Amino acid sequence: SQKIEQNSEALNIQEGKTATLTCNYTNYSPAYLQWYRQDPGRGPVFLLLIRENEKEKRKERLKVTFDTTLKQSLFHITASQPADSATYLCALSHTGTASKLTFGTGTRLQVTL
Amino acid sequence: NAGVTQTPKFQVLKTGQSMTLQCAQDMNHNSMYWYRQDPGMGLRLIYYSASEGTTDKGEVPNGYNVSRLNKREFSLRLESAAPSQTSVYFCASSEWGDVQPQHFGDGTRLSIL
Repeated sequence: SQKIEQNSEALNIQEGKTATLTCNYTNYSPAYLQWYRQDPGRGPVFLLLIRENEKEKRKERLKVTFDTTLKQSLFHITASQPADSATYLCALSHTGTASKLTFGTGTRLQVTL
Repeated sequence: NAGVTQTPKFQVLKTGQSMTLQCAQDMNHNSMYWYRQDPGMGLRLIYYSASEGTTDKGEVPNGYNVSRLNKREFSLRLESAAPSQTSVYFCASSEWGDVQPQHFGDGTRLSIL
């Protein structure tokens, strides 16, 4: 069966460092991969989208990579800040699925001073 | 600019009661979605509507029905609530197409006793 794995343990990182979150998938050939941020008690908020033929995508302090050979995406936050503390979700979709997404369980990031 | 609005925010039901969760979006999006989020399970798609007038089952449709009332509104109905349906329910919307990010409401927290 299709499986998306994100590290269920929280990632604790010091302010100013680069946070790296991992999304692995099996039995799946996604065409697109998206990353969302979710704060406690709120809905997910879209951050970045990357296509299968793109290796890397950047937006301000955020960078996403997509390796279809390793079946893995890495999500980086550079110069992390306490305000970056949240749960980060990866989501995958096929082509022709009207944006139907399959989500991972998310990784909680805690940035401390 | 409200985005996606869900009502109610909280609800407690008794087993066997029925309830309709409401969702409205003001972004003129074609596609709308209902998810449930449970601890350790991630977001799972219940039903979606690719465009006005169409609805389709997602990953976990049993026990639920939906109505796409018009382009703005997409409701989720529990006909006979069960404790297993205790969850946080999120509505989302997007432009139609493969690569569109989804915009989420802040959820309805539903407890069934």
